[in-house]
Amino acid sequence: DTAVSQTPKYLVTQMGNDKSIKCEQNLGHDTMYWYKQDSKKFLKIMFSYNNKELIINETVPNRFSPKSPDKAHLNLHINSLELGDSAVYFCASSQDRGGLARYNEQFFGPGTRLTVL
Amino acid sequence: RKEVEQDPGPFNVPEGATVAFNCTYSNSASQSFFWYRQDCRKEPKLLMSVYSSGNEDGRFTAQLNRASQYISLLIRDSKLSDSATYLCVVIYGNKLVFGAGTILRVKS
Repeated sequence: DTAVSQTPKYLVTQMGNDKSIKCEQNLGHDTMYWYKQDSKKFLKIMFSYNNKELIINETVPNRFSPKSPDKAHLNLHINSLELGDSAVYFCASSQDRGGLARYNEQFFGPGTRLTVL
Repeated sequence: RKEVEQDPGPFNVPEGATVAFNCTYSNSASQSFFWYRQDCRKEPKLLMSVYSSGNEDGRFTAQLNRASQYISLLIRDSKLSDSATYLCVVIYGNKLVFGAGTILRVKS
């Protein structure tokens, strides 16, 4: 029974297109994240949502827009795709502990490999 | 200086060897630390949390040195299945930062 699932697993598209990646978690966690892992394998957080509220928004082009319809889902919409957007995008979830050290173990989805041609 | 730095490796070791990785962090106010493991073309998975007093899980030992601002991971009796990329994670406030990872290759 998959804990964090993402669709699609692979996405190949042309520059300039708009695409969405969906993420769902069935762990009952209240915090969800989007990460980007580039070709150098560097994993960088993009967004974090806690109970549908945005709490981290790193320096990411505004072509990227996360949407959280409920606390079990966090989708990522990307407008006007560029070559540099090619990467693996991971969704993750955790149970927020609150306070100064709020982030707990992250559970990652299998990743979406985006290739922009 | 990067917020979190790791030696990218690769560390090539024979089966049965003991290997250690370090991860340095720049923010002295960092509160929580973790080691994750990522297999090729897979998602990262939590290996272990890192506590101030150090902690051990089987062949794996994690330690934190706040004075020198680094965490370490020691793997004893390396197995072929330990081959992976090991990522350290440092958390302070709302910031959650992954290191770039250290590649370990265990050879028979």
